[in-house]
Amino acid sequence: AQSVTQLGSHVSVSEGALVLLRCNYSSSVPPYLFWYVQYPNQGLQLLLKYTSAATLVKGINGFEAEFKKSETSFHLTKPSAHMSDAAEYFCAVTLGTGGFKTIFGAGTRLFVKA
Amino acid sequence: GAGVSQTPSNKVTEKGKYVELRCDPISGHTALYWYRQSLGQGPEFLIYFQGTGAADDSGLPNDRFFAVRPEGSVSTLKIQRTERGDSAVYLCASSLGLAGGPIDTQYFGPGTRLTVL
Repeated sequence: AQSVTQLGSHVSVSEGALVLLRCNYSSSVPPYLFWYVQYPNQGLQLLLKYTSAATLVKGINGFEAEFKKSETSFHLTKPSAHMSDAAEYFCAVTLGTGGFKTIFGAGTRLFVKA
Repeated sequence: GAGVSQTPSNKVTEKGKYVELRCDPISGHTALYWYRQSLGQGPEFLIYFQGTGAADDSGLPNDRFFAVRPEGSVSTLKIQRTERGDSAVYLCASSLGLAGGPIDTQYFGPGTRLTVL
């Protein structure tokens, strides 16, 4: 069965510091991987997606993620945190075959300190 | 253009009652998804429509949950004999569907917060 594990339900960084949100997946077939962000009182918004075209994926707002098959990971990074990055982040996986069912991780809430 | 809309934004009901939650997808999107998000959890897949048909309903927790999309646009999630454990935010998303493939971008609505007393 496919699954997604996000390490750390809460991450706190200082403004200007590196952001690293961890995601590991389990899939029996090549996965499609996504990162979504949910700002307070707003809907989920796609940050970036891995589609096998390139292992390093760049998304919106300066975020990027690297697909590492050997580590079954898809960690999200941003070189310098901004106060506006404070939100909940979700990693998700969709199978390449068998339908469009998307499995989400439990989420990581990012706090940014001034 | 308009995004995905969901009504009502909040619904409070009593245990045992029937509820309907509505989703209006982005115009032209053939795929529509329902998710349930409990407090402190990520969205949980319920059902996926391609056009009018449910292509994957493996996430529906039991036969009290049912969803329809009769004209391939608006969808209604129906919950019979509601239980307190059904309390959650119900999210709807839409996408281009088959034209976009499994890497198709899903656009989410703001959700309906269901509270079962």
